[in-house]
Amino acid sequence: DGGITQSPKYLFRKEGQNVTLSCEQNLNHDAMYWYRQDPGQGLRLIYYSQIVNDFQKGDIAEGYSVSREKKESFPLTVTSAQKNPTAFYLCASLPRRSGDAEKLFFGSGTQLSVL
Amino acid sequence: QKEVEQDPGPLSVPEGAIVSLNCTYSNSAFQYFMWYRQYSRKGPELLMYTYSSGNKEDGRFTAQVDKSSKYISLFIRDSQPSDSATYLCAMSVPVQGAQKLVFGQGTRLTINP
Repeated sequence: DGGITQSPKYLFRKEGQNVTLSCEQNLNHDAMYWYRQDPGQGLRLIYYSQIVNDFQKGDIAEGYSVSREKKESFPLTVTSAQKNPTAFYLCASLPRRSGDAEKLFFGSGTQLSVL
Repeated sequence: QKEVEQDPGPLSVPEGAIVSLNCTYSNSAFQYFMWYRQYSRKGPELLMYTYSSGNKEDGRFTAQVDKSSKYISLFIRDSQPSDSATYLCAMSVPVQGAQKLVFGQGTRLTINP
């Protein structure tokens, strides 16, 4: 079955530590997205990538970094510069072609908490 | 002003009631309008989408878009306890060849047996 796999489901970060959230998709989608979800604030875009080796900042990119070395993979690193990282992180993918907005698929999310 | 406004609720109704969920938006360039359902600590799943003004029906769900008023709604008929979830509206606009999606805050809905 095609889909998006996020791991781990739960992650704990110590002060000053960088942590990496994994996102893998086998939908052959070109575009991939990372969102952050806080209670009562909906989903906010962190980074997105339309093609391999290219990505753009979203609305809240500070303190985060990404890479897109393979079409299937779009890992997100939460750096020590992100002072309030506790949130639910969602990865999503979409066919690049405009007009397919309804085909956005989400992973099952990673809950990141600070120790 | 946020591009998309959604009442976060929470909203609690008895089983069998008709539920109305609403979002307003300010960007007239939005082309696609979606409703997602999200169960606790899961990824959102697409419930309904439309790209034109008017109504779209799918079983117990009806999505309504009024572009002149910049207002969208989701109606749930004969609501069931299994409909208890957070409902997110989302809208998209093409930006530099990619779809930019903007989400509402989400409305937490509880259907009481």
